[in-house]
Amino acid sequence: DAMVIQNPRYQVTQFGKPVTLSCSQTLNHNVMYWYQQKSSQAPKLLFHYYDKDFNNEADTPDNFQSRRPNTSFCFLDIRSPGLGDAAMYLCATSSNKYEQYFGPGTRLTVT
Amino acid sequence: KNEVEQSPQNLTAQEGEFITINCSYSVGISALHWLQQHPGGGIVSLFMLSSGKKKHGRLIATINIQEKHSSLHITASHPRDSAVYICAALRNRDDKIIFGKGTRLHILP
Repeated sequence: DAMVIQNPRYQVTQFGKPVTLSCSQTLNHNVMYWYQQKSSQAPKLLFHYYDKDFNNEADTPDNFQSRRPNTSFCFLDIRSPGLGDAAMYLCATSSNKYEQYFGPGTRLTVT
Repeated sequence: KNEVEQSPQNLTAQEGEFITINCSYSVGISALHWLQQHPGGGIVSLFMLSSGKKKHGRLIATINIQEKHSSLHITASHPRDSAVYICAALRNRDDKIIFGKGTRLHILP
């Protein structure tokens, strides 16, 4: 089945230790999004790719980076995770501006 | 004030009850989504609306563009419907999705 896959589902990292979260899709969608969702809050858009064009939200910290080596894969790199970065990270894809298909999310814990 | 507001924030009901979750928005939109998120889980898209009404199984979503209001209804609610329901609007001016804070629904057996 076509889908959005996120790995790992649960990630524990140490304070300050770089971590990479992965998203892949079999939908061949040209747009991929990364959202951060903290407990009991709405998802917050970090950045998105339109094909290879990277679009960063103005308030996304520099600590967060992203790579999209090809249509199928997109990575979220957190260079120096802080305790405040513990959250659910959601990847989504879209082929038009109307619909978004979400992955299952990666829950990040920072110790 | 959030551009997308949901009510109630929390809702507990007995199995079988008819459930209504409301969403109002204050910006121009081109579409509105209803999303479901189970505890610890990812987000599933339930509906995308730009006008009128949609039905899928026991779920019904309506939107009134003039009143800038949408509702999600669940008929014959079941404990497995327990989840957070999120309203998200596609904002006209920049095509960004603006999320409501969600409604936490708990259906008791």
